[in-house]
Amino acid sequence: DAGITQSPRYKITETGRQVTLMCHQTWSHSYMFWYRQDLGHGLRLIYYSAAADITDKGEVPDGYVVSRSKTENFPLTLESATRSQTSVYFCASTGLAGGTDTQYFGPGTRLTVL
Amino acid sequence: SQQGEEDPQALSIQEGENATMNCSYKTSINNLQWYRQNSGRGLVHLILIRSNEREKHSGRLRVTLDTSKKSSSLLITASRAADTASYFCAKADSSYKLIFGSGTRLLVRP
Repeated sequence: DAGITQSPRYKITETGRQVTLMCHQTWSHSYMFWYRQDLGHGLRLIYYSAAADITDKGEVPDGYVVSRSKTENFPLTLESATRSQTSVYFCASTGLAGGTDTQYFGPGTRLTVL
Repeated sequence: SQQGEEDPQALSIQEGENATMNCSYKTSINNLQWYRQNSGRGLVHLILIRSNEREKHSGRLRVTLDTSKKSSSLLITASRAADTASYFCAKADSSYKLIFGSGTRLLVRP
């Protein structure tokens, strides 16, 4: 199906484990983003990417690593998960004129770190 | 830090009434966007208003922007139970990043 997908949708892990969240989009959008949303709050930008092999930090990058070897994929890795990283993670993409235009969001991954 | 802040944090209205949500920001913007989020779902783009625009309409939605006051408002007319959701404003500056506010939770009672 066309669009932006995330996997897994739900993940439970333990403190100290490595976790990778996947994001895939079929529009060939240049820009991709990772946000986290904590209960009762808006979204905060973790990392973004302007194109394949170009990534940069957002507002809350500590403890996260990203890569973008292909335009359509933008995985987010928690190298050593902590309880404070329990959150809902959203991936988004946009193509027109960079990120100043509409962003399209995936359905989210609910991550629980025990 | 979050630069788009919504007001009120929560709003409960009767079906058929209008709902107004406000958003303030601190620095200059390229555009301001409004998104809706249904419980447990991703965000859906509603409307984008550019810094040189003052008002924009989309169906039952009306968005205004006052750059002198650094504020925007979203009006939903003739609300329906299906409009129950959280609404977020997001500020876009000259870069490609969106800064989201904390959202307004809207409940439309049947």
